[in-house]
Parts: sequence; structure tokens; C-alpha cells
Amino acid sequence: KAGVTQTPRYLIKTRGQQVTLSCSPISGHRSVSWYQQTPGQGLQFLFEYFSETQRNKGNFPGRFSGRQFSNSRSEMNVSTLELGDSALYLCASSPDSFYGYTFGSGTRLTVV
Amino acid sequence: GIQVEQSPPDLILQEGANSTLRCNFSDSVNNLQWFHQNPWGQLINLFYIPSGTKQNGRLSATTVATERYSLLYISSSQTTDSGVYFCAVPYSGAGSYQLTFGKGTKLSVIP
Repeated sequence: KAGVTQTPRYLIKTRGQQVTLSCSPISGHRSVSWYQQTPGQGLQFLFEYFSETQRNKGNFPGRFSGRQFSNSRSEMNVSTLELGDSALYLCASSPDSFYGYTFGSGTRLTVV
Repeated sequence: GIQVEQSPPDLILQEGANSTLRCNFSDSVNNLQWFHQNPWGQLINLFYIPSGTKQNGRLSATTVATERYSLLYISSSQTTDSGVYFCAVPYSGAGSYQLTFGKGTKLSVIP
């Protein structure tokens, strides 16, 4: 079956702009989580959605937001981009967050 | 929250050698995953192993939950095994689980 699909793979944005990243989970998976990976902070949890509801949120500013649609696809949005937002953003899907996660290939965001 | 420590941080192996990667965690867990991050950034799930031992080809993993550690064994290493290996445990927050990752072990296999 198809894996977790993230688009786009690469993105370059300017400070102050906003960006939207997309994630399509494995068919039948209702939980979608987002993680940010940077060289300094490692992998950090952003938020988790389940059946269109945000169930859990990490310690990130309000500029980071997300949503989940009825088909379980998820988007995350970052507004007023800062240089420090440059990172690899990874999406993971799971039947429910208690079970194992499958990750997508990630979106590499560069803010200039 | 739970703390996850991995060792060693870096490992260089000659092709064909064996290795053991370790993951210690600070609290009891009901699950643990090992991932391999390839050079393109994708996290590949290796094992979902809350306890016991599992094997998949040249890789095997053992989790001893009562002693709060897990080991990943790589035998007869190949250059394609290079990359960063992460262990992650679920941390319960606000009604669901989020993964807490270790800092990873960077493995370089040289021909």
C-alpha cells in the first residue's frame, strides 16, 4: 500500500512569508503527527491530529498551526517565517497514536 | 517528560563488521521504535519493539523494558547501512501519544 506522502519535497521562502506543507497518510490511518528536525534541537513534536481534531501540541509558538481534513490528509502552516524555521518537517501517520508510526520523506524548508 | 539517550553518538565501521547501538530511557514505556534516517532525510521504521527480541535480516533489536534500555544489532554491515539511527518512545500527553526521540547514532560504514 502507498506510504506517507509529503509535498513539496523542497521549499525556499523569504523571512516574513507564510508556508503550507501537505501530508497524505497511509490509507486507513486516522492519526497524523508533525515533527520538526533541526541540527541543534533534533526531532521535536509539533502536533497530532486525529479525526480532524488536534489532540496534542508541542511547545512551539502560535505561528505553527495545522489542520486535518475528513479524508485524514493534513496540512501544517507556518506564518511570518523566521530564519530559525529552516528545518526538515516530517509527517507521520498511525492507526492511532498508541501504535507504531510510519514517516513520510519530509519537506525541507529553507528560509532566506 | 521522558528522557531518551543513545550511544555511541558516532560510529565508524569497516564493511562486514558488527555493531551494537544502545538506547536508554528514563521511565517505563509501553512501546519503542527504532528508525534509520537515510541521506535524503526519510525515517525508515526498523522495529516496533515494546519488549523482547525481533530480527529482520541482518538487523535485530532487543528491548528490556524493566531495565529501561533497548539494543539494536547490525551484523555484517554494508555501506548502505550508513545514516543516523534513532530510537523513539511514546510519551503520553493530553490524551494521545507523541514520540520522544534520542539524539541518534550516526553510523558510517566504509568499504
